[in-house]
Amino acid sequence: AQTVTQSQPEMSVQEAETVTLSCTYDTSESDYYLFWYKQPPSRQMILVIRQEAYKQQNATENRFSVNFQKAAKSFSLKISDSQLGDAAMYFCAYRSNAGKSTFGDGTTLTVKP
Amino acid sequence: SQTIHQWPATLVQPVGSPLSLECTVEGTSNPNLYWYRQAAGRGLQLLFYSVGIGQISSEVPQNLSASRPQDRQFILSSKKLLLSDSGFYLCAWRGNGLFETQYFGPGTRLLVL
Repeated sequence: AQTVTQSQPEMSVQEAETVTLSCTYDTSESDYYLFWYKQPPSRQMILVIRQEAYKQQNATENRFSVNFQKAAKSFSLKISDSQLGDAAMYFCAYRSNAGKSTFGDGTTLTVKP
Repeated sequence: SQTIHQWPATLVQPVGSPLSLECTVEGTSNPNLYWYRQAAGRGLQLLFYSVGIGQISSEVPQNLSASRPQDRQFILSSKKLLLSDSGFYLCAWRGNGLFETQYFGPGTRLLVL
């Protein structure tokens, strides 16, 4: 079974600075999909960014980018120019070829003004 | 556009009582549907997923069950609730492509007393 580990329960960043959230996973599959979701206090889950494992190029969505290291099974999220609205719980998720998703336990990000 | 609804938003039930949570999706057909449970400060635990009407896969053996009586309706049930069933329940849908984004409903907060 796949597992997803987020080793940082809590992180904080100064507004306008950059922060990186780590995620590692364990799998024996070669094709899979990786996602980062954001859950603000409203508890609505919102997709931040996604990556296909067969693509070597790291995904980027505006201020959000990933560092995907397939051999190391690492999928970190970098948030640049952090904003107060970025404060939330962030979840890393793995989706197998069978369509099942496994989520990490999350990292709570605090943004300091 | 597609929307996903869940109700009720909040539910307080006594131990041993039955449960029925409903999830409906609008604006798409033949979606893949999911039920997740989220304990406080934790990640999402997949409970059930469905790729079509009447097709349910269970991920965690427990006293919960799921049904999909219509294409865009997904129901989570229990005959007798346990204290450990308390949590935040999220329904999600995605299209048939494996790289499709999962879209989450607003969730149901269940408290079993």
